[in-house]
This record gives sequence, structure tokens and C-alpha cells, in this order.
Amino acid sequence: AQSVTQLDSHVSVSEGTPVLLRCNYSSSYSPSLFWYVQHPNKGLQLLLKYTSAATLVKGINGFEAEFKKSETSFHLTKPSAHMSDAAEYFCVVSDPNQAGTALIFGKGTTLSVSS
Amino acid sequence: SQTIHQWPATLVQPVGSPLSLECTVEGTSNPNLYWYRQAAGRGLQLLFYSVGIGQISSEVPQNLSASRPQDRQFILSSKKLLLSDSGFYLCAWSLAGVRDNSPLHFGNGTRLTVT
Repeated sequence: AQSVTQLDSHVSVSEGTPVLLRCNYSSSYSPSLFWYVQHPNKGLQLLLKYTSAATLVKGINGFEAEFKKSETSFHLTKPSAHMSDAAEYFCVVSDPNQAGTALIFGKGTTLSVSS
Repeated sequence: SQTIHQWPATLVQPVGSPLSLECTVEGTSNPNLYWYRQAAGRGLQLLFYSVGIGQISSEVPQNLSASRPQDRQFILSSKKLLLSDSGFYLCAWSLAGVRDNSPLHFGNGTRLTVT
């Protein structure tokens, strides 16, 4: 079965510094991977998705993620954090054998941005 | 373009009272529909999903039920709420027939507090 692990429950950065949110997955085949963002009391918004095309995926709001099969990782990065990036981020892996929805969510990483 | 509406945004209900949360999708036909619950610090839990009118699958046994009376309408219900039903409820949709790389699109959620 597929699984996804977000390595940090909370990350704190200063405005203007780089952001790195780490995600590892386990999969017996080439998965599809996603990152979602959730601002307080809002639904989740898709940031980007990887579906076996280019390994470096660019998303909205300046975020990008790199699929590294050898490391089974899909870390989310941004060169320079903005205050508006403070939110919770979810890494998601697909599993077509999962009944219903194929998507398995990580437990989330809370990103704090200080001025 | 597709939009998803979920209401109410917040709800405070006493223990033992009924519940009805509604979700509608516009701009697409025959979507897959989902209800998730998000409890503090526990990530997202899939409650129900539906691939068509009247077709409901339950992922976890609990005090809740779901119905899909129309193609783009999904309702979450309870006859008698428990304290443990408190949480943030999210409705989502995805394209039908594309299981392993079709992202979910979320509503803005309902914050339910059972007192």
C-alpha cells in the first residue's frame, strides 16, 4: 500500500528566506503526487501535481517541488517566503488500488512566517 | 469553470440534535463527490464518497450518513450528534473516471461545534 510521510509537523521561517517542506512517500509503482495548501478555516487548494512528466514541477504562488525517485521524496520549496504563505501544507500520494478516492493525505506541515 | 459551494460555514449544535450539511458543484457533470473531516492535529479523514446519484460508499463506521439526491448535490447528515462529531467538514469533487491523477477540489468547509 502507498503511504506518505511529512517529516516536519511545523516549520518556521523569516519573510524573504527559503522554504523547504519535506515529504517522503512509499509506492510500489510510479505514483502521482500532489501538494495542497490550507489557510485557516478554508478548504484545501491545489498547489501543484506530479504525474510522471517533468520531475521538477512548478505550482502556484512561486512554489515548486522535485520528484526524486531514488530518494522517494517530493519536497516543496519556495525561494523567498511571504507572510501570506503562512498556512498548513499537505503532501498527497495517489493509490489506484485504494477504494473510493485514490488519494492518501499526509498529516500536514504548518508553515509559520515571521517578519 | 467549476465551482463548489458548501454551507453553512459555521454551525453550533447541541448533543443529540440532527445535522444536515449541503454541498453543490457547478460547471461539471457526474463528478466524484467526497466528504472529509478534519480534526485538530489529525489530518484529513475520508468519510464518504460517491461516484453517482444514489451511490454512497462509507469509509469509516460512525454516527454520520451521506446522500446524493442529484448529480451535483451531496449531503452529510446525522440523526443525533455526538460531542466527537465536532470538527471541520470538507466537501470535495474530482473528475469521474480518472482515479490516479485527478486532483480534488475542495469547498471552504463547515466548522461544526457540538456542545
